[in-house]
Amino acid sequence: AQKVTQAQTEISVVEKEDVTLDCVYETRDTTYYLFWYKQPPSGELVFLIRRNSFDEQNEISGRYSWNFQKSTSSFNFTITASQVVDSAVYFCALSYTSQGGSEKLVFGKGTKLTVNP
Amino acid sequence: EPEVTQTPSHQVTQMGQEVILRCVPISNHLYFYWYRQILGQKVEFLVSFYNNEISEKSEIFDDQFSVERPDGSNFTLKIRSTKLEDSAMYFCASSEAGRGRYEQYFGPGTRLTVT
Repeated sequence: AQKVTQAQTEISVVEKEDVTLDCVYETRDTTYYLFWYKQPPSGELVFLIRRNSFDEQNEISGRYSWNFQKSTSSFNFTITASQVVDSAVYFCALSYTSQGGSEKLVFGKGTKLTVNP
Repeated sequence: EPEVTQTPSHQVTQMGQEVILRCVPISNHLYFYWYRQILGQKVEFLVSFYNNEISEKSEIFDDQFSVERPDGSNFTLKIRSTKLEDSAMYFCASSEAGRGRYEQYFGPGTRLTVT
């Protein structure tokens, strides 16, 4: 069965600190996709990144970076030089594809990040 | 930039009433989804829809729920007889294709409050 674990429920940092959000997943599929979404206080879900299981290259986008390690089934997310606007709940998700081709996302419980000025 | 829209943003209803939540997916997307998030909890999959039929549904999606694409643009979620435990944020999402090749874009959500 597919499962995503985000062990950190809440993290609080001071602005400009680096912070890493952990994500560990379980799946029997050989092909799968991993995602990170951001949910700011306004409630919407904002897509951040998609990663497929064959691409273990780390990715950097501005202050955001992602470390995908298949050997440990982890897909961690680092924010460098955090800012107050980064305060949100961050969800890691794993895709599961049905025989019909559609997929569902299995979400972790989320990590609430608070960046204090 | 195209986006998924949802109406209403907040719906308050009495237990036992029917509600219809509306979504307009991104126009060239083919797969549509509903998820829900009970306050403070994780986002849970409800149902996926492709080619005018349900592709997959979760255990949560029982006979009280139904989905429809009544025209070329709207995608609706109906709850026939709401219960208190249906109170949640409901998110609609759409993707260009399935099998994880494209990300799912989420709408802003409809907060449903059942009293």
